[in-house]
Amino acid sequence: AQSVTQLGSHVSVSEGALVLLRCNYSSSVPPYLFWYVQYPNQGLQLLLKYTSAATLVKGINGFEAEFKKSETSFHLTKPSAHMSDAAEYFCAVSESGGSYIPTFGRGTSLIVHP
Amino acid sequence: DTAVSQTPKYLVTQMGNDKSIKCEQNLGHDTMYWYKQDSKKFLKIMFSYNNKELIINETVPNRFSPKSPDKAHLNLHINSLELGDSAVYFCASSQERRGEAFFGQGTRLTVV
Repeated sequence: AQSVTQLGSHVSVSEGALVLLRCNYSSSVPPYLFWYVQYPNQGLQLLLKYTSAATLVKGINGFEAEFKKSETSFHLTKPSAHMSDAAEYFCAVSESGGSYIPTFGRGTSLIVHP
Repeated sequence: DTAVSQTPKYLVTQMGNDKSIKCEQNLGHDTMYWYKQDSKKFLKIMFSYNNKELIINETVPNRFSPKSPDKAHLNLHINSLELGDSAVYFCASSQERRGEAFFGQGTRLTVV
């Protein structure tokens, strides 16, 4: 069965600092993995996705994530945080055991201080 | 052009009423979903539907039912609304089961 765990419901960083949002997955088969961002009162927008090609995935707005099978992780990073990055971030997994229906983590709220 | 659109954006209604939320996608996708987001931002899948198969999350009360008049639409009907149904409901679609989901803007349902 597929599941996703996001460590830390809130992450606080200073503007210009490294952003690291953690995601660990559980899947019985090779999964597809996604990171989405949700700004207040909006829907979710795809940041990046892993689909069994390159393990280091680059996304929009300077974000990237690395798939590590040995650690069952797919952490999201950005070298330098910007105030506009403040939002809710969701990791999601999709695989055959779950009929490919995306299953989401509980989300991490990113807070950026000036 | 909005890729996935939901109407209404806000819905306030009384307990016991029946309501519908409409969803349309113009992306040509063949799979559509309904998710419920609670006050703690947790996203729970309610339904997944394509031309051939409806997958229902077994925890969803049967007061909720999806209706798909055609491939581009998946509406959500809710009967006998309860206070606990208050949440944000998101419609989404994907090109294929493995693809990324495109989300609508959400419908904030408040039951009073």
